Order: sequence, then structure tokens, then C-alpha cells
Amino acid sequence: QKEVEQNSGPLSVPEGAIASLNCTYSDRGSQSFFWYRQYSGKSPELIMSIYSNGDKEDGRFTAQLNKASQYVSLLIRDSQPSDSATYLCAVGPSGNTGKLIFGQGTTLQVKP
Amino acid sequence: DTAVSQTPKYLVTQMGNDKSIKCEQNLGHDTMYWYKQDSKKFLKIMFSYNNKELIINETVPNRFSPKSPDKAHLNLHINSLELGDSAVYFCASSQELGKNIQYFGAGTRLSVL
Repeated sequence: QKEVEQNSGPLSVPEGAIASLNCTYSDRGSQSFFWYRQYSGKSPELIMSIYSNGDKEDGRFTAQLNKASQYVSLLIRDSQPSDSATYLCAVGPSGNTGKLIFGQGTTLQVKP
Repeated sequence: DTAVSQTPKYLVTQMGNDKSIKCEQNLGHDTMYWYKQDSKKFLKIMFSYNNKELIINETVPNRFSPKSPDKAHLNLHINSLELGDSAVYFCASSQELGKNIQYFGAGTRLSVL
């Protein structure tokens, strides 16, 4: 079992729709959870961080965390073609090493 | 000013050569990292340093040697390059250990021929 799993996609949604990206993780003691966006040929860019159960909203983005189910998701409302990218889920496992474990990423395509 | 900067951006070299990648951050962060992203886009941590002290060494071949002369710099030296070392190498930094929001450099695309 991979430590952090994402569906590689591509996930295709029409412009204006809600894109839902999902991630599961194996370390039940994980403390921190992140979503990074990576455009082709570019570096990962942090878009959301979440540390406790529930929802966290920032503009068009909502991160959802359920530690009991070991599940974290990212919702993108009113998707735009500029949101087309690979979205990387990253998990900070138990322990204080600063280590992040990344999923393989989900490619999102927003079609005009 | 770029917050986390890496040089070079591209590196093309022959098998068996030795090469270095440099990384500098001007964010005042205590912790720096090296990641490798392979052709399948899987991003995996290699090393982390906190205030010049090695914290993480993730089963990386000992041909890879990180060096941190001060907390603003973390360089990566690779000896005897192999074809499988071809990848994009990202440097990142975070404010301190445990404050895991990490900021990434632009990456160094290494091609070993």
C-alpha cells in the first residue's frame, strides 16, 4: 500500500464546475496535510494546508480532512482553465522531522 | 527576489561525471530539503537539514552528498552519475522543523546521457 494515494486522472471538468480531488494516507498519526498545485515544467506551489478535521475554505478552494477515514480532499469551485494542472497531496507523518510524503498527483483538465 | 533559488536550471552530463546543484533561500528559514521528481512526476524527499544539521536521509545512494555551509544554503553533490539519476531535483525550505509548509525552488532538470 502506498503511503499517500491519489487517482492520477486525468480528471476532466467543464469550466465553471466543481472539481473534486481525493487523497488517502496510511499513517494514522499524520499531523499535517497540504495541497500543492504543479503546472507542467514548474515547481509545486502551496494552495492549501489543513491540520484538523473538518473543512477549510480559501477563496474557490476548500480542503476537507477526515482523520478517522484517513482521507483528505480538495474542492475547486467555479473551475477555470487556468486551474488545469497536477494537484499533489502531501502528508506530514507522525514525528517531528519536517518530512512530507507526496502522492503521485492528480491531473486536472478544465475545459472551456 | 526569488525566495528559494536553485542553480543550474538545466544540467546535461555524461554518465560517471560528478556534478553539484546549489540552493539558497532568503526567507530566513531554518530547514531546507532536497526532493527528487522522477519521470512519472512522483516527488520524493531525499534529505533535510535543520540549522545545518542533517535530519532526514531517505535511503539515498551515498553517491549523493548534501552540504549545508549555513542555514540559508543547501547544496547537493552527486558522484559517478548514472542514467537513473535523470530527474528534476527540487530544493525547498520551511520556517522551522515541524512547521511543514514548504516552499519550493524552480527545480533543476538533470539529464544523464
